[in-house]
Amino acid sequence: DSGVTQTPKHLITATGQRVTLRCSPRSGDLSVYWYQQSLDQGLQFLIQYYNGEERAKGNILERFSAQQFPDLHSELNLSSLELGDSALYFCASSQRSLAGGGGFQETQYFGPGTRLLVL
Amino acid sequence: GQNIDQPTEMTATEGAIVQINCTYQTSGFNGLFWYQQHAGEAPTFLSYNVLDGLEEKGRFSSFLSRSKGYSYLLLKELQMKDSASYLCAVIGGYNKLIFGAGTRLAVHP
Repeated sequence: DSGVTQTPKHLITATGQRVTLRCSPRSGDLSVYWYQQSLDQGLQFLIQYYNGEERAKGNILERFSAQQFPDLHSELNLSSLELGDSALYFCASSQRSLAGGGGFQETQYFGPGTRLLVL
Repeated sequence: GQNIDQPTEMTATEGAIVQINCTYQTSGFNGLFWYQQHAGEAPTFLSYNVLDGLEEKGRFSSFLSRSKGYSYLLLKELQMKDSASYLCAVIGGYNKLIFGAGTRLAVHP
């Protein structure tokens, strides 16, 4: 158990719909990262938040958005869903931000993931 | 661009040693991670290298050569439970963590 929690575990919805995925980081961790993993594909970085502020953006579609709240939990909102959005969505947390510079170990701890199926 | 390459699949025998290679081309470098991921589960941290050389941790070791843009993960005394995907990830330009597609390792009796 990494200490990162994600809800829901599974989500089935229809094209065109909107869903919200929730993540609670490990106690004390300030950074939250969101990743998408499609079938047989590697992890694609979507977005990172650090202490409530957006810190880095990856390959996140405009239909997707995220935020980190004062209690440090984060939500990933996916709208106008398409079949291709079906994937595992992972949240990870770390104590600080990778943007703090190199030379120290900034391990990311991953939650169990939310499996999204768009029909 | 930024690119990470690792073999797609490997097979090995229980009790043997296997080496999984990773080569990377990134605009910057602030460290390299190896993660293990069982099918349908979350990745779990294995190792971190930022300086050249070998880091040993039990049955797993990881090596880095920054000048060559190369790393490997060495797994010794393979067990059936080591069957999983192994992900190489680099902290590249703008301090973004970039993952390779992963290497699926199958351990046979």
